[in-house]
Amino acid sequence: AQKVTQAQTEISVVEKEDVTLDCVYETRDTTYYLFWYKQPPSGELVFLIRRNSFDEQNEISGRYSWNFQKSTSSFNFTITASQVVDSAVYFCALRISGNTGKLIFGQGTTLQVKP
Amino acid sequence: DGGITQSPKYLFRKEGQNVTLSCEQNLNHDAMYWYRQDPGQGLRLIYYSQIVNDFQKGDIAEGYSVSREKKESFPLTVTSAQKNPTAFYLCASRDYLAGGFGSWFFGPGTRLTVL
Repeated sequence: AQKVTQAQTEISVVEKEDVTLDCVYETRDTTYYLFWYKQPPSGELVFLIRRNSFDEQNEISGRYSWNFQKSTSSFNFTITASQVVDSAVYFCALRISGNTGKLIFGQGTTLQVKP
Repeated sequence: DGGITQSPKYLFRKEGQNVTLSCEQNLNHDAMYWYRQDPGQGLRLIYYSQIVNDFQKGDIAEGYSVSREKKESFPLTVTSAQKNPTAFYLCASRDYLAGGFGSWFFGPGTRLTVL
């Protein structure tokens, strides 16, 4: 079965704190893709990152970094020096190989960054 | 500008009425998707279409119908058979890259409320 679990329902931090959003996935496929999306209050999903199962290199993009560990089936997302504009719902998603292109989403983590 | 448009942004429906949500894309993507989002839950796939005049049911297709007569359009009809239609609906399209690995683009969403 394919599944994505984001155990943290809501996280609240004060501005400038670092925060890590957890994502654990399940799949029997050896080829798959993982994604992170941000959903601000406007509702539109904003693409953040895509990672394939053969690339375990961590990635850093400005204040954002991602830690992909196949051994623990995790793809965690860290925001360094959080800002109020980071407040949003964050989704982790899994895509298995095949032609349907179906994305399997986690439940989402609501991040609130207070000034 | 290329992108996905959804209309209307807010939609109110009386119980027992069918209603159609519009989704248009000018990205020249073959694949299009409809997702439903409920509070505190991730996105769940309703229907998808990989090519004109063809579509498949997703995980929660009951009470919904779609059509794909044109490449750029993928309207979703919420029928009176849908027991709990109040939700946020997101449309997406996908491009195909070599190896079948593509990027998803999401529309701004339609919030449907049943009165």
